[in-house]
Amino acid sequence: DTAVSQTPKYLVTQMGNDKSIKCEQNLGHDTMYWYKQDSKKFLKIMFSYNNKELIINETVPNRFSPKSPDKAHLNLHINSLELGDSAVYFCASSQDGGLGTEAFFGQGTRLTVV
Amino acid sequence: AQKVTQAQTEISVVEKEDVTLDCVYETRDTTYYLFWYKQPPSGELVFLIRRNSFDEQNEISGRYSWNFQKSTSSFNFTITASQVVDSAVYFCALSGWGSNYKLTFGKGTLLTVNP
Repeated sequence: DTAVSQTPKYLVTQMGNDKSIKCEQNLGHDTMYWYKQDSKKFLKIMFSYNNKELIINETVPNRFSPKSPDKAHLNLHINSLELGDSAVYFCASSQDGGLGTEAFFGQGTRLTVV
Repeated sequence: AQKVTQAQTEISVVEKEDVTLDCVYETRDTTYYLFWYKQPPSGELVFLIRRNSFDEQNEISGRYSWNFQKSTSSFNFTITASQVVDSAVYFCALSGWGSNYKLTFGKGTLLTVNP
């Protein structure tokens, strides 16, 4: 049983397209996240959701829109993809977003925009 | 603002050597947590350890040990008798009282253990 699962694992698409990445966790956690890892391996928070409510939006372009239909799911939709969006996107979850709770990460989605 | 610095971009050792990965952090919070994560070549992120700001005891788990020193704002990670399977990118991360709901990561250290 995969705790945090993302689909797809790889995504290759052309500039200007719209794409979605899905994430599901079966840990019963309240908080879910999207992180972006760039080509230099730098990991940065994009969004945090707690009980389906947006908590953190870390100056991410409006082309990125997260959606949390329930506590177990946090999907990421990206409009009008640009070359600079190429990265690995990680979904994660934690028991709650409170101080000290460790995050469990999905396997990542490698997005390549051509 | 919070910041995590991993000054070592890459480290290469020979199997069975001991290796220490450095992590220095900055935060104005008096209550905070520090983490280490491992990212092997397969790409997933694996949680290794969590330490809170009030607990400066060193921790040992098998070949892994962690040295937390508030006086120098450091949380260093040592692998004893390294193995090829330890080859990975290791990330130090920080979560402070004023920044719940996110981890601030260092840029990572790529450790290569050669046979």
